[in-house]
Amino acid sequence: QKEVEQDPGPLSVPEGAIVSLNCTYSNSAFQYFMWYRQYSRKGPELLMYTYSSGNKEDGRFTAQVDKSSKYISLFIRDSQPSDSATYLCAMKRTGGFKTIFGAGTRLFVKA
Amino acid sequence: GAGVSQSPRYKVAKRGQDVALRCDPISGHVSLFWYQQALGQGPEFLTYFQNEAQLDKSGLPSDRFFAERPEGSVSTLKIQRTQQEDSAVYLCASSTQAPGTEAFFGQGTRLTVV
Repeated sequence: QKEVEQDPGPLSVPEGAIVSLNCTYSNSAFQYFMWYRQYSRKGPELLMYTYSSGNKEDGRFTAQVDKSSKYISLFIRDSQPSDSATYLCAMKRTGGFKTIFGAGTRLFVKA
Repeated sequence: GAGVSQSPRYKVAKRGQDVALRCDPISGHVSLFWYQQALGQGPEFLTYFQNEAQLDKSGLPSDRFFAERPEGSVSTLKIQRTQQEDSAVYLCASSTQAPGTEAFFGQGTRLTVV
């Protein structure tokens, strides 16, 4: 079993929809939780960064961490065709150097 | 430049050849990470530098892989005697914090071993 599980999709939604992306994890030592967006043939781009549990909002993006359930989510409101990309969840333990990434979910937003 | 720069963008190597991949992090960034990304997968950690010190190399798959950052800025990932399973995108990331988060990634080097 992988430390971080993420449904690879693809997920296809109409423009304007609310998108929900999720990951589960098994290592309770993880304290830092990140979401990255990766366009085709580009490097990942850091979208959201959360420490421990709780919610964080940035524009159309909201990240949620539920450590009791070992479950994290990214919500995208008013999705746009330009949001079409692969979304990677990632996490790291306190004092650790290594970040563990999920396999990524491919998202398509149709105009 | 403004971002993390990697070169070459694409590299084709014959099996058994040695290759060297270069990463220019953002100026002044203390932390530098190397990751390997196979097609359809998330990046997998290879190694971490804090300035010139290699503090974690637990992700290097074999002793054919070697990384250095001698002056605490530019880093090189070297793969000796390349094999087909080494074909992947190699990503470099840097950060101002130590160890910090992989805040800024380069575009990667796509290595194909034939």
